Amino acid sequence: NAGVTQTPKFRVLKTGQSMTLLCAQDMNHEYMYWYRQDPGMGLRLIHYSVGEGTTAKGEVPDGYNVSRLKKQNFLLGLESAAPSQTSVYFCASSYRFGSRGYEQYFGPGTRLTVT
Amino acid sequence: ELKVEQNPLFLSMQEGKNYTIYCNYSTTSDRLYWYRQDPGKSLESLFVLLSNGAVKQEGRLMASLDTKARLSTLHITAAVHDLSATYFCAARIGGGATNKLIFGTGTLLAVQP
Repeated sequence: NAGVTQTPKFRVLKTGQSMTLLCAQDMNHEYMYWYRQDPGMGLRLIHYSVGEGTTAKGEVPDGYNVSRLKKQNFLLGLESAAPSQTSVYFCASSYRFGSRGYEQYFGPGTRLTVT
Repeated sequence: ELKVEQNPLFLSMQEGKNYTIYCNYSTTSDRLYWYRQDPGKSLESLFVLLSNGAVKQEGRLMASLDTKARLSTLHITAAVHDLSATYFCAARIGGGATNKLIFGTGTLLAVQP
């Protein structure tokens, strides 16, 4: 049971380049989330999904797109990277129901630098 | 709009001492979570608090929730160096099919020998 995995772990982009971050979970969770973590700001929700084929915006969605074509995968895309998108990106997933009250399980993170 | 504030933001304490981290949230929320993050690592779930008056304990850490005061606390008893980490609280907003969390900015705990 790998839990939540993220690919890649590190990436350096130049301004204007595009990339896709992949999140995969093997726990059959319905809900998946993308966060970014910046110093002194905690984690902020970018986009989330409550099921296969559905996505919704979070607190800071501008400049990002997502897709969830399969239940186990949640992709985060940057179409034209900007230095302000330099951050650590975390993916998380959770059950819809359960005794742990929708506890979110986090992936190891992707450190992205945009120069 | 739900806002979550933690204090202190930084806490330096000696081994063996007790201390409390506070987490205030601005609007009604039915669930409160505590996470731990080691430097360069992911977030590890510590506690899930589901109702008013809930208290959970694990080792030297104890978390509680007062939904009327919109306050959760994380109490550290007889701190040891291994507890050094950043601790985040998060409150759930919305109900039903959203389960979005709003995180506090975190408390960096440094336990000195």
